[in-house]
Amino acid sequence: AQSVAQPEDQVNVAEGNPLTVKCTYSVSGNPYLFWYVQYPNRGLQFLLKYITGDNLVKGSYGFEAEFNKSQTSFHLKKPSALVSDSALYFCAAYYNTDKLIFGTGTRLQVFP
Amino acid sequence: GAVVSQHPSRVICKSGTSVKIECRSLDFQATTMFWYRQFPKQSLMLMATSNEGSKATYEQGVEKDKFLINHASLTLSTLTVTSAHPEDSSFYICSARGLASEQFFGPGTRLTVL
Repeated sequence: AQSVAQPEDQVNVAEGNPLTVKCTYSVSGNPYLFWYVQYPNRGLQFLLKYITGDNLVKGSYGFEAEFNKSQTSFHLKKPSALVSDSALYFCAAYYNTDKLIFGTGTRLQVFP
Repeated sequence: GAVVSQHPSRVICKSGTSVKIECRSLDFQATTMFWYRQFPKQSLMLMATSNEGSKATYEQGVEKDKFLINHASLTLSTLTVTSAHPEDSSFYICSARGLASEQFFGPGTRLTVL
């Protein structure tokens, strides 16, 4: 079955430290992978995507993600976290080139 | 990036009434629009996919007669929750996709049915 997993409900990190939000996928074919961020009572904002090409994808607000085919992972990373990065992060993948499958979300809490 | 708007952002209604939510792509033509529902502290659940000028495709378990979707133009899709009940209270989010692969999401509509 097609699925996206985010194994951590919450990630806590101190401001200035690097952060990683994990995502693994199980999607047949060549996956299209995405990261979105959601602030309270708001819709989702697009951060970055992987379609093809370089495994390291750079996105908005200093975030990047690394596509690892052998581990079927697409972890979101940032070298230095900001308090304003605190939000809910969703990993998503396309299947049928039409429908997005979302992970369950990871709440990132950055402490000053 | 592309901008998608939703109106209203928040609505409170009495049980039994119908509520219409609009989703607009402001600066691009959306060939496909999607409607999601999000429960507190949960992920987004796809309700239906709509293509301009054709009937929406509903996900399993979503009542098409209760959640009416109309995609009248390349920039507008509407979701009407008919005869709303308290269990329909939720956060409804639309998204739109143009020629590129990514979906752009609206800010969401919080529906509260009393």
